[in-house]
Amino acid sequence: AQSVAQPEDQVNVAEGNPLTVKCTYSVSGNPYLFWYVQYPNRGLQFLLKYITGDNLVKGSYGFEAEFNKSQTSFHLKKPSALVSDSALYFCAVRESGSGNTPLVFGKGTRLSVIA
Amino acid sequence: GAVVSQHPSWVICKSGTSVKIECRSLDFQATTMFWYRQFPKQSLMLMATSNEGSKATYEQGVEKDKFLINHASLTLSTLTVTSAHPEDSSFYICSARSGGPNTEAFFGQGTRLTVV
Repeated sequence: AQSVAQPEDQVNVAEGNPLTVKCTYSVSGNPYLFWYVQYPNRGLQFLLKYITGDNLVKGSYGFEAEFNKSQTSFHLKKPSALVSDSALYFCAVRESGSGNTPLVFGKGTRLSVIA
Repeated sequence: GAVVSQHPSWVICKSGTSVKIECRSLDFQATTMFWYRQFPKQSLMLMATSNEGSKATYEQGVEKDKFLINHASLTLSTLTVTSAHPEDSSFYICSARSGGPNTEAFFGQGTRLTVV
């Protein structure tokens, strides 16, 4: 079975400081990993994904994430946080070769960037 | 990226009535769409997988007679909450993929349902 863990319910960071939102996953085979952001009363917006290749993937709005197979992690990072980055962030996984199965989401991490 | 449009964005209805939510893929064809429910400050709970031209596949614990899903075309799936009750009040979100399993899913903007 596939699963995703986001160990932090809330992350607080000062504007201009680097931010990290943690994610670990569990799949039987190779993972496809995704990060999404949700603003209040809105759907989810895609940020970035890891499918194969370079472990460091870059996405929208200056975000990046690093795939670490040995630690089964896919932490989301940004070098310099903005107040406008404050939102709810979801990590998701799907196992490669799993056909048309839906994404499995973590419970979400609320990021608060303080001016 | 691909666009998924969900309508309405919010709806208020009386107990006992039914509400239909539409999910459209605007610039791609989606043979499969997914319906989620999100409670306040919680993650997305998958309700069902909607397959074009066939019956939806419901997750355990989701009442198929309560939440009717129809996927009549490659660009439209609908979720009807029948005989709504206050406990059905929630945020409902649909999503669709334009490609294979390694492509990202695109989400509608969500529908806030309030049953009074």
